[in-house]
Parts: sequence; C-alpha cells; structure tokens
Amino acid sequence: EPEVTQTPSHQVTQMGQEVILRCVPISNHLYFYWYRQILGQKVEFLVSFYNNEISEKSEIFDDQFSVERPDGSNFTLKIRSTKLEDSAMYFCASSEARTAQETQYFGPGTRLLVL
Amino acid sequence: AQSVTQLGSHVSVSEGALVLLRCNYSSSVPPYLFWYVQYPNQGLQLLLKYTSAATLVKGINGFEAEFKKSETSFHLTKPSAHMSDAAEYFCAVKGAAGNKLTFGGGTRVLVKP
Repeated sequence: EPEVTQTPSHQVTQMGQEVILRCVPISNHLYFYWYRQILGQKVEFLVSFYNNEISEKSEIFDDQFSVERPDGSNFTLKIRSTKLEDSAMYFCASSEARTAQETQYFGPGTRLLVL
Repeated sequence: AQSVTQLGSHVSVSEGALVLLRCNYSSSVPPYLFWYVQYPNQGLQLLLKYTSAATLVKGINGFEAEFKKSETSFHLTKPSAHMSDAAEYFCAVKGAAGNKLTFGGGTRVLVKP
C-alpha cells in the first residue's frame, strides 16, 4: 500500500541553524501539507501546497518557514533559523484531491529538537 | 472557523470492554469529520470519516462513529477492546471550503488485560 515517507525520523539542531525536513508524498497525489505537534499540544496545520504554490497557510507559518517541491517526488519544509519553540513533531500529508471529504494521508513524522 | 474538543486526554478500558471516545465539534459550515489513530512511533492513520452520506460510519478495526448534528458530536466506539487498540486517537474537522484539518487534543487509550 502506498504511503507517505519522511526523513529524517529525528533531527537535533542548535538554535539559529537551518533545517530541512523531507517528505515523499504518495505518487499520484497532488496536494501536500505540513502539520506540527508540539509535545502535549494539538496537531496544528502549517501549510498546504498545490501546483508549486502555497494554497493556504496558518499564522504559525511565518517568514522563517518555506516549502518547496524541488523535484517530482520530494516535498520539503525548511526552517531558516530555528528557535527553541520550533521543537515539535512535524507531519507531512498528501491527498489526491482538494475536496473537503478527501482523506489526507500522513507520514510517520520527523521529531525536531532545537537546543 | 472550526474547532474540536475531545473529552478525556486518557481513557483506560479493560480488554473486551466497550471503547467510547468523545468528540464534539464547532463549525459554521457543514463539517467533514475524521478520526485518526496514531500507534507508537507511527504516523496518523485514518480510521473513518463522515462526509454526509450516512450518519453512522464504519471504519477499520471494528470502530464506528455516529454523526449527531443536534449534539454537534462524532463519538467513536468499538464494542470490544483489544490490546492492539492501545494508541492515541484524534478527531478532526474540515469545513466545506477549506482543506486544512483542525484537530482535537487527542485521547490516549490504554487497554488493560
């Protein structure tokens, strides 16, 4: 069964460093998402992406964040200058279509720890 | 705007007992509702979803949920808990226009032998 994959599974970085989280969505999916979950808090939407453009973003997704689909398979989330509060589990998701009833399929997550 | 409230961050059930996880939503538009499960060290896996076709929705692993508009609820049930049901369960909502999922806080289920 096709699945969303994410690398790395864990990342430790120093405050102020740039990190890139990588995701490989399901191959025939066209819509991509990033969510995050700070320890003990809710899973929060960050951004959605379609046709090489951001289609929606939350207030969390400020100028420190960017997303990119550098090739036909990868979808990345970059944090330019990490802060302690960026420590969280980051989930990538993809869906085939954009209709509200469409299922979003999630990857296993990348646990980011900023020291 | 949508929001989701899951009552009880932790639930403990005995093996073979009923599992009941509560989810209430708030939405200004007809909602689409989802239950996801997260097993340890894994991603979120869809259990079931409500898309207005039927109010009683059956999902994987013997779970089902009933959409009750009058109560703004979408509670998840399973008649008989199995040890493998130990996981964290998330209720989520989407509005008709948007595409982002809004999640509840999650309920961690512990199954006692």
